[in-house]
Amino acid sequence: EIVLTQSPATLSLSPGERATLSCRASQSVNRYLVWYQQKPGQAPRLLIYDASNRATGIPARFSGSGSETDFTLTISSLDPEDFAVYYCQHRSSWPLTFGGGTKVEIK
Amino acid sequence: EVRLLESGGGLVQPGGSLRLSCAASGFTFNIYGMSWVRQAPGKGLEWISAISGSGDRTYYADSVKGRFTISRDNSKNTVFLQLNSLRAGDTAIYYCAKPGRPNGDYWYFDLWGRGTVVTVSS
Repeated sequence: EIVLTQSPATLSLSPGERATLSCRASQSVNRYLVWYQQKPGQAPRLLIYDASNRATGIPARFSGSGSETDFTLTISSLDPEDFAVYYCQHRSSWPLTFGGGTKVEIK
Repeated sequence: EVRLLESGGGLVQPGGSLRLSCAASGFTFNIYGMSWVRQAPGKGLEWISAISGSGDRTYYADSVKGRFTISRDNSKNTVFLQLNSLRAGDTAIYYCAKPGRPNGDYWYFDLWGRGTVVTVSS
């Protein structure tokens, strides 16, 4: 099973600041890495698939990068609606797994 | 409208069983694999099971293998999750999720239901 480790666990930032979230895989997942956003009481929302492809309707301030074992989700300028929990997930092999999440909170 | 609607959750005693359903609408159901993901209270996401579009291939997390069974009825646009031998640790919101593309291993999820709550407690 591939373990995904997200860091930091919590990121305290102000609106307008840049957010950089990390996801590290215990073995290579090629570029089969996905990012989701989840707000309290809601289902997750797909942001990025296959490392760097923005999902339909996702603002350009969200970008993904990386390959093999190291991946980054960047939010270029935090909007108030971006404060949420972010999860990574791989689709490289079975079983699929998720990272433990990074909470982006208002400083 | 493209939608997934889960049902079947509830309160069950340890060792009991439940059958969850996920009704899909707004897309060609039988060409998409489907999956279940759960989230324990205050915890992160956990993928638990998936099934191919035709239903001939199924996949499970180790934590549920041998206790949960995924199936689908393409004539009713519905995917099911049979939960047996339930434990307190299975308490969670259970989400149904649709992959981003059909006919292949595109196991990233672009559509989620609102979830159904399963509580295992005596």
